[in-house]
Amino acid sequence: DIVMTQTPLSSPVTLGQPASISCRSSQSLVHSDGNTYLSWLQQRPGQPPRLLIYKVSSRFSGVPDRFSGSGAGTDFTLKISRVEVEDVGVYFCMQSTQFPRTFGQGTKLEI
Amino acid sequence: QVQLQESGPGLVKSSETLSLTCAVSGASISSYYWSWIRQPPGKGLEWIGYIYYSGSTNYNPSLKSRVTISVDTSKTQFSLKLSSVTAADTAVYYCARDHGAGYVDYWGQGTLVTVSS
Repeated sequence: DIVMTQTPLSSPVTLGQPASISCRSSQSLVHSDGNTYLSWLQQRPGQPPRLLIYKVSSRFSGVPDRFSGSGAGTDFTLKISRVEVEDVGVYFCMQSTQFPRTFGQGTKLEI
Repeated sequence: QVQLQESGPGLVKSSETLSLTCAVSGASISSYYWSWIRQPPGKGLEWIGYIYYSGSTNYNPSLKSRVTISVDTSKTQFSLKLSSVTAADTAVYYCARDHGAGYVDYWGQGTLVTVSS
């Protein structure tokens, strides 16, 4: 299985300031079709996960543009340009390049 | 809008079979892949497997011997069966849509299943 490792596991942030989460995979996430299937999910307290970013850098419908994704190969980053109160929660990276799908441990974003 | 809703017993006895159903609305089940993902209390996410509307499946090898996912296109729902459960299977179980282009885009609210001894 591909192991996904996120850093940090906990991130105290200041409202209005940027935040960044890293995700590293144990193998390259470049699929044989040339795509890289790395996505980012947000889980607010008591809620199911919500898709934010797919294929490294594509924002899902309705996701604010303060969220952005970047990276390639085995190293990926989720950035929030200016943190808002509603951004509190746990963020997961997920790979869909290889079966089984696997997730990072989660990064808790707290104000 | 795509909506998914899990249903099933919230308490299952150890060694028995966990059975859940996911009702899909707002989307045709005859496309996409339909997934089950679980989350033990306070922990991370684990992909269980998915099914295509045609019936083809892909399961997590760690659970494969105990998992069956099926689909009922006439009822626009799909189901999960997990046999021989133990306390380690206690988790919130989510059904979700796998777009097939490498991401899971819609999730149900989740249902907590507790395995009791």
